[in-house]
Amino acid sequence: DAKTTQPPSMDCAEGRAANLPCNHSTISGNEYVYWYRQIHSQGPQYIIHGLKNNETNEMASLIITEDRKSSTLILPHATLRDTAVYYCIVRGASGTYKYIFGTGTRLKVLA
Amino acid sequence: DAGVIQSPRHEVTEMGQEVTLRCKPISGHNSLFWYRQTMMRGLELLIYFNNNVPIDDSGMPEDRFSAKMPNASFSTLKIQPSEPRDSAVYFCASTGQLNQPQHFGDGTRLSIL
Repeated sequence: DAKTTQPPSMDCAEGRAANLPCNHSTISGNEYVYWYRQIHSQGPQYIIHGLKNNETNEMASLIITEDRKSSTLILPHATLRDTAVYYCIVRGASGTYKYIFGTGTRLKVLA
Repeated sequence: DAGVIQSPRHEVTEMGQEVTLRCKPISGHNSLFWYRQTMMRGLELLIYFNNNVPIDDSGMPEDRFSAKMPNASFSTLKIQPSEPRDSAVYFCASTGQLNQPQHFGDGTRLSIL
């Protein structure tokens, strides 16, 4: 499983876009990128995932570079409730279902 | 839709006692995962099942830990005997098809005194 690297913390002003980067330079061709967040000690909440193409849903957008070695999660209009730890995970398409969580990025949305 | 349901939400017990954590996966999901989260080690996978069969238990810390999945709608994680270092939040997650995301329960906060 590919390893991911994220900045330990970021701040974002309320109402602005939050851009959270993730480096996964050892990703394989069949590995997906998943994003989760965890608020306080609640269970991790699924946000979005993708393989090659950029993806968008009601929560966020995921931008994956053409070489797939990095990605960015975009929260278009951050609110105070988006304050959380955000995890970027890379997982294979076949065989193992395992997620390996890193230390994530602690996003603080400021009023 | 009901999500992953875990019980109890909180458990406080004395060292040496047996602890049983329970999980009901989302209906129709065929893979179930047990994770543990501590400040020191973060979120780590303990074991996962596919179609009720344990696939990878390499994350189970030691023989005091055991997990079962007697049917598609129920799993237990048991610690016997419990120790203070087992204090953590234990999460259960489930998923269906390959490449679909795992969905997590709200966790069980376990404190061993």
